[in-house]
Amino acid sequence: QVKLQESGPGLVKPLQTLSLTCTVSGGSISSTLYYWSWIRQSPGRGLEWLGYIYHTGGTFNNLSLKSRITISLDTSKNQFSLKLTSVTAADTAVYFCARVGGTAGNSPFDYWGQGALVTVSS
Amino acid sequence: SYVLTQPPSVSVVPGETARITCGGDSIQSKSVHWYQQKPGQAPVLVINYDSDRPSGIPERFSGSNSGNTATLTISRVEAGDEADYYCQVWDSSTDPVFGTGTKVTVL
Repeated sequence: QVKLQESGPGLVKPLQTLSLTCTVSGGSISSTLYYWSWIRQSPGRGLEWLGYIYHTGGTFNNLSLKSRITISLDTSKNQFSLKLTSVTAADTAVYFCARVGGTAGNSPFDYWGQGALVTVSS
Repeated sequence: SYVLTQPPSVSVVPGETARITCGGDSIQSKSVHWYQQKPGQAPVLVINYDSDRPSGIPERFSGSNSGNTATLTISRVEAGDEADYYCQVWDSSTDPVFGTGTKVTVL
């Protein structure tokens, strides 16, 4: 059974960098079969895809975030990470990591972490 | 970018059928996935590839996709089905898109 778990600070100051890590168990992030993604949900709002990464380290990001987002892999720890720079109150959200269960462009998000609430406030 | 439109809310009496629509331009040409999200929890995949049920999802959940509308149908609705439901497709081969979400209330 694949499990994903987010970790990181729950409070970030405005204009600083939000950093979260997703630890994957029950499966390898080095697998060629899947992509690994970040999705967020602002309070009372819907789901917003942020980006995803492949085992090669290649990434695709939501263009609305422009150059603020970086997603990276640590295969030695079976983890992938999110960094979002220059945060504002609008970045306050629950951040989920999730697995794309197959080919990007067609597949669902089949496994999700429980989510991590990150609040941007001074 | 591709837009998926869902009704904000659907109300249903226990035992009846709930239908949640997801509208998008020529959505029939895309694979539609559906997620159930209960308060304080992560989304759970309930229907993938238009109409397939992942393991462990009750047969009461079914899906269809035609023209400009995909539909998630919940038959014999139970109190435990009360949740938010989101549809999802891929816009081009790189960008996933979520619907606006529908809150299902069991009366």
